[in-house]
Amino acid sequence: DGGITQSPKYLFRKEGQNVTLSCEQNLNHDAMYWYRQDPGQGLRLIYYSQIVNDFQKGDIAEGYSVSREKKESFPLTVTSAQKNPTAFYLCASSTLMNTEAFFGQGTRLTVV
Amino acid sequence: AQRVTQPEKLLSVFKGAPVELKCNYSYSGSPELFWYVQYSRQRLQLLLRHISRESIKGFTADLNKGETSFHLKKPFAQEEDSAMYYCALRGRGSQGNLIFGKGTKLSVKP
Repeated sequence: DGGITQSPKYLFRKEGQNVTLSCEQNLNHDAMYWYRQDPGQGLRLIYYSQIVNDFQKGDIAEGYSVSREKKESFPLTVTSAQKNPTAFYLCASSTLMNTEAFFGQGTRLTVV
Repeated sequence: AQRVTQPEKLLSVFKGAPVELKCNYSYSGSPELFWYVQYSRQRLQLLLRHISRESIKGFTADLNKGETSFHLKKPFAQEEDSAMYYCALRGRGSQGNLIFGKGTKLSVKP
């Protein structure tokens, strides 16, 4: 069953704690992306990666970190420096050609 | 600067009425434009892209370079079309990331 999988679906975090969101794909895509989706804000790019061991900041990278040690995995860490982390996070992947991006089901992070 | 603008947060129409979701973009070059849709409790998925010149679920979108627009149209809306619609841009050949608009929520009433 090919696709892109995010886990967990729901995540609760205490203030001051770091938390890592998982994103795995078995589509053999080179590019992977993290977006944050807030009501009325659309999708805003956090980080993206086009090759293993390399990634670039998006529009709202502050307070987030990523790694790309394997082609199929692109975890996102929400650090305590992120001032407003409660949001819906979407991971996506695509080939390097101008083709469609495939999205995961998303992770809803709530800070309690 | 690369930017995608969707001026309407919410568009409400009756079943059978025509629908037009507006999208304007800012990009110096030849962009590739997409429409993505997110139905309730489903993941975001591609609806159509301008290079394909296809009609999906009765929707079409034409790239107008003069007006820098990529409006999504359907002549007769159905209730199942109710969803969030996002217009997106990627620089052609740049291998760059997708830039999304803020989205328009389409509500089709019976």
